[in-house]
Amino acid sequence: AQSVAQPEDQVNVAEGNPLTVKCTYSVSGNPYLFWYVQYPNRGLQFLLKYITGDNLVKGSYGFEAEFNKSQTSFHLKKPSALVSDSALYFCAVRDSPMDTGRRALTFGSGTRLQVQP
Amino acid sequence: DAGVTQSPTHLIKTRGQQVTLRCSPKSGHDTVSWYQQALGQGPQFIFQYYEEEERQRGNFPDRFSGHQFPNYSSELNVNALLLGDSALYLCASSLYPGAGTEAFFGQGTRLTVV
Repeated sequence: AQSVAQPEDQVNVAEGNPLTVKCTYSVSGNPYLFWYVQYPNRGLQFLLKYITGDNLVKGSYGFEAEFNKSQTSFHLKKPSALVSDSALYFCAVRDSPMDTGRRALTFGSGTRLQVQP
Repeated sequence: DAGVTQSPTHLIKTRGQQVTLRCSPKSGHDTVSWYQQALGQGPQFIFQYYEEEERQRGNFPDRFSGHQFPNYSSELNVNALLLGDSALYLCASSLYPGAGTEAFFGQGTRLTVV
């Protein structure tokens, strides 16, 4: 079974400082990893994904994520936080592409990012 | 290009009633998945539809059922509503079978069961 852990319920950072939102995963095969952001009373908005290749993935709005296979982690990062980045962030994983019967995304519990002016 | 659209936006139902939620996928997408997001939690997978068939199902009771139409739109039906069914219901569309393809989500339907 696949699972995702987001160990921090909330991350606080000052505007202009770098931010990191942590995510670790567990899958039986090769992972497909995703980050989504959710603003209040809205659906989830796709930020970036890791499929294969370069361990550093760049996404929307200046966000990037680093895939670390040995630590089974996929932490979300941004060099300089904005107040408008304040939202709920979800990490998600999908298991090996060879198993065509399993397509569901498994989400973490979410991390609330609060960027102070 | 319209994204994923869901209706209604909000819904209030009484325990024991039945509800139908609707979803139109993003243009060009053929697969629809439904997720339940309880307050303060991450989305939980309910089921996925492709070619008008349920392809995968999460750990939800048979009270939760669905349908996909030839135009790829989908419905989620919940029978015998319980208070615990109160949640944000999210529809996501994607291309099948691309495991590496990101899912696009609608804004959700907020269901309140009283």
